[in-house]
Amino acid sequence: DTGVSQDPRHKITKRGQNVTFRCDPISEHNRLYWYRQTLGQGPEFLTYFQNEAQLEKSRLLSDRFSAERPKGSFSTLEIQRTEQGDSAMYLCASSSMLGRSTGELFFGEGSRLTVL
Amino acid sequence: QQQVKQSPQSLIVQKGGISIINCAYENTAFDYFPWYQQFPGKGPALLIAIRPDVSEKKEGRFTISFNKSAKQFSLHIMDSQPGDSATYFCAATPYSGGGADGLTFGKGTHLIIQP
Repeated sequence: DTGVSQDPRHKITKRGQNVTFRCDPISEHNRLYWYRQTLGQGPEFLTYFQNEAQLEKSRLLSDRFSAERPKGSFSTLEIQRTEQGDSAMYLCASSSMLGRSTGELFFGEGSRLTVL
Repeated sequence: QQQVKQSPQSLIVQKGGISIINCAYENTAFDYFPWYQQFPGKGPALLIAIRPDVSEKKEGRFTISFNKSAKQFSLHIMDSQPGDSATYFCAATPYSGGGADGLTFGKGTHLIIQP
C-alpha cells in the first residue's frame, strides 16, 4: 500500500511526558499537512510543509509543539510536556502541488494520543 | 475569520432515501469546496469537490450543489445505502490563489442509513 502511513497508531502517555509522531506521505507528494481532530469535531489545521519548508503554522500550534520534515520526505510532530488537552487524533495528509493549485489531500489513519 | 458551519450534526435516513447535508461559509476567498467521508478509525477520504465556477457537480450517487451568492453548498446522497453510514465533513480553502491555508473543516455530520 502506498498511502499515507502514521506511527504509532495509538499512544498513551502521562501528563508532562514528551511524545513524537511520524508521518510517511505518499512518495511523490511534496506537500504534507498535520491536523488535529477531537471527538465530534472536524480536523483542525496545525501546520504544513512544502518539501522541507514549513510554510504555515496555526495558532493552535503552541510552543510545546514542533514539526519537522527533514529532506522533504517523512515528517515528525513532537509534543513536549503533554497536557490532558492534547488528547486527540493527530492526522497527517499529503498532496501534490500542481502549478498554483493544491491537489486532493490524502489522509493517513491518524495517531490517537491519550494523555492521562 | 475562516469558518465553515455544517448542519445537521446527525442524520438518520432510510435505505433508498436522499441524504442532504448543508454547509455555509463566510470567507469569500474560499474557492475550493471538498466533501470528505470518514469511517470510524480511519482518516477522512475525499468524496467529491467543487469550484465556484459551477453550481452543481455530480459523481454517481453524490451531488454537490453550490450557491455562491448565498455562500452555501450542500451534499446530496441519492439512493442512500447502509454502506454510506459515516461521518461527512464539508471543507473549504482558498485554493486557486496559491494560498498557504490548509483546509477549514466543518464539524461533521454523523449519517446513519437504516436498512
